Amino acid sequence: GAVVSQHPSWVICKSGTSVKIECRSLDFQATTMFWYRQFPKQSLMLMATSNEGSKATYEQGVEKDKFLINHASLTLSTLTVTSAHPEDSSFYICSARPVGGGRYEQYFGPGTRLTVT
Amino acid sequence: AQKVTQAQTEISVVEKEDVTLDCVYETRDTTYYLFWYKQPPSGELVFLIRRNSFDEQNEISGRYSWNFQKSTSSFNFTITASQVVDSAVYFCALSEAETSYDKVIFGPGTSLSVIP
Repeated sequence: GAVVSQHPSWVICKSGTSVKIECRSLDFQATTMFWYRQFPKQSLMLMATSNEGSKATYEQGVEKDKFLINHASLTLSTLTVTSAHPEDSSFYICSARPVGGGRYEQYFGPGTRLTVT
Repeated sequence: AQKVTQAQTEISVVEKEDVTLDCVYETRDTTYYLFWYKQPPSGELVFLIRRNSFDEQNEISGRYSWNFQKSTSSFNFTITASQVVDSAVYFCALSEAETSYDKVIFGPGTSLSVIP
């Protein structure tokens, strides 16, 4: 149980275009979903926290107009990278906290590798 | 200052050797959780263990063991009789009551290479 999927698993896009990444909790409902970014050979850094039906909370230094997060349902959150540039190339990982689960619970998706050319 | 420190950036061991990955954390919270994750080359995070701040018992799971010491703010991870499949990046992580456990703070990671 507690499976989180991400789609696509990898994507290549041209500079200036937008790309959407989906995060789905497959066998549970998630009150809260989280988006992390991981640059090569670096650690994971939390970008934003999203709760279903409300605006996402962004970490300091993360541009909310560039990284649009929509948590439209209890099983789906999307991250849209708008006007992507090569420096946005990274590994994006989402996680989800189950409804009724412990506050410490987060289940991670497999990640999406974004390459901007 | 980093809240989670993993001083070893890279470690190489020969298969069957034991290896300990160090993790030192910093928090003012009395209630917090510590985690270890494995990230193989595929990139997907694999959950290994969660420990809350009130449980200082050491844990053993197969070849894996963890030593939690609040007195030194450390949560070290030992792999016994290492295998090539253990080659991965290992992250120690912390979440605190102060942030309602929303923010998982990852350490910089230790890249482990097990050489056959």
